[in-house]
Amino acid sequence: SQKIEQNSEALNIQEGKTATLTCNYTNYSPAYLQWYRQDPGRGPVFLLLIRENEKEKRKERLKVTFDTTLKQSLFHITASQPADSATYLCALQNTGGFKTIFGAGTRLFVKA
Amino acid sequence: ETGVTQSPTHLIKTRGQQVTLRCSSQSGHNTVSWYQQALGQGPQFIFQYYREEENGRGNFPPRFSGLQFPNYSSELNVNALELDDSALYLCASNPGGRTDTQYFGPGTRLTVL
Repeated sequence: SQKIEQNSEALNIQEGKTATLTCNYTNYSPAYLQWYRQDPGRGPVFLLLIRENEKEKRKERLKVTFDTTLKQSLFHITASQPADSATYLCALQNTGGFKTIFGAGTRLFVKA
Repeated sequence: ETGVTQSPTHLIKTRGQQVTLRCSSQSGHNTVSWYQQALGQGPQFIFQYYREEENGRGNFPPRFSGLQFPNYSSELNVNALELDDSALYLCASNPGGRTDTQYFGPGTRLTVL
């Protein structure tokens, strides 16, 4: 069955450092991979989308890589800030886009 | 803010009851998807509606049903509530028939006792 794995343990880093979150998937060939941020008790907020034919995408302090051979995406936050503390969700979609599969998320804590 | 609203914010029901959750999408967003998110888990896809027709469904039983209306609002109905239905229910909308970028509402927290 289709499966998405994200770091199950929380990630603790110091302010100013780069946070790197991992998303691995199996039994799936997504057309799109997305990253969302979710704060406690709130709905997810879209951050970045990367397509299967793209290797890397950047937006301000965020960078996403997508390796369809390894079936892995890495999500980087550079110059991290305490305000970046949240849960980050990885999500996959096929070409039809009718169904989005989410990982369980990785909780990030950035200490001042 | 995404412009997507949901009501109510919180809801408590007892096992066996029925519940209706509501979502108001952004104007012009023809597609709405509903998700169930259990504590500590990612959202799980329930179903999607496009122009008032269901066009995709996840692994949820028929007691989960929905409606979409021409005014960009939608409903999720759950019959015969079970304890495991306790979760955060999220709706997400986007402008087209595909779901490449979704705008989520704040969710409804349902507790089944």
